[in-house]
Order: sequence, then C-alpha cells, then structure tokens
Amino acid sequence: EAGVTQFPSHSVIEKGQTVTLRCDPISGHDNLYWYRRVMGKEIKFLLHFVKESKQDESGMPNNRFLAERTGGTYSTLKVQPAELEDSGVYFCASSQGGVHGYTFGSGTRLTVV
Amino acid sequence: AQSVTQPDIHITVSEGASLELRCNYSYGATPYLFWYVQSPGQGLQLLLKYFSGDTLVQGIKGFEAEFKRSQSSFNLRKPSVHWSDAAEYFCAVGRRRGSNYKLTFGKGTLLTVNP
Repeated sequence: EAGVTQFPSHSVIEKGQTVTLRCDPISGHDNLYWYRRVMGKEIKFLLHFVKESKQDESGMPNNRFLAERTGGTYSTLKVQPAELEDSGVYFCASSQGGVHGYTFGSGTRLTVV
Repeated sequence: AQSVTQPDIHITVSEGASLELRCNYSYGATPYLFWYVQSPGQGLQLLLKYFSGDTLVQGIKGFEAEFKRSQSSFNLRKPSVHWSDAAEYFCAVGRRRGSNYKLTFGKGTLLTVNP
C-alpha cells in the first residue's frame, strides 16, 4: 500500500507570506495527525482528525495555523502569515486506530526567512 | 501530563558493537510506548511498540526493547550495530483517548556508527 505522502518536501518562504502544506494519508485511515519539530526541540503534537472532524487541536500554536481535512481524505495545514519561529519540520501521520501504530510521512521542512 | 526523557543526545558506537538507547517516561496509567527512527532525509519509521503483554518487544531491523514498569523505562537494544543504523532515534509515549492516542516524544538520540 502507498504510504503517507506529504508535499512539498521543502519550502522556503519569507516572513509574512502564506504557506500550505498537504498530507495524503494511507487510504482507509480515518485518523490523521499533524506533528511539528522545531529545531533543537521535541517533536510535538499539533492536531488530530478523525475523518473530517477535528478531534483534538490542543497543540496548535496560535490562530495563524489552520488545518482542514477535505471529505475525510487529504489534509492541509496553512500558516498565514508565517513567522520565523514557524520554521521546522512538519510531519503528518495516519492510523487505523486501536493498537495499530501510526505511519508517518517524510515531513515538510519549512524555512521562514 | 506525560513526558519522555532520552538522557543521551548523541551516542557513538563502533560497527558490530552492542547498543542500548535509554528512555524514561512519566505517565499515570499503563502506557503505550514506541520507538521511532529517522534516517537522514527520511520520515519517522516505527521500530517497535508496546501496548500490553510480553514486556520484551521485538521490532524491525534486529531491535528490541524492554518495558520495565518499576523503572518507568523502555530502553532500546541491538546486539550488533550496522553502519546503516546511523540515524536519530525517538522514544514516545501514547496518551490514550478512546481507541486512539496522542504521542509525546523525547528529544531524540543521534546515533553515529564508526567503521
């Protein structure tokens, strides 16, 4: 089966611009997660979708971040306007739930200059 | 709140030597525990997981981990390291919410393998 796909793999934008990251989960996985690793820090949870609904968005840093999941399929994470501290690697993961582990994508490295 | 501590930021071993990466967690209930690996330019790959049952868990690539409740530890081991094992390793604890869970990661341990 195809894995979790994220794109772009890299993005360099200027402070104040908008960036949209996309994640395509494994087909049939209802659970989709976003995580982020800022340089030198831990990988941290951002939010969790079950199908198209936001189950938990407690990790979203502020209202400059907007996540959507269209029709319970792919998800987008928009940062508007981007700030320097938003730089990092954004990981998406999907899961069947239960005792199954997550499958992570290869991440999007975002650099805000 | 749960937390994960990986005390070693960077470890260097020689190829063929044994390896143990330490992980301690804090969680109020029986945890879900995971080890992930990230090779350069790659995503996070699940090495192994513990949900319940046998406390010695076998994973991929010859890795194993042992859950020790009394020590709140879940250390990762490999008897003989290969050069391709050079990567960053992350321990994580899953906070259960119904049938799903949210991961809390440690800061990671970077493994260098010398020839």
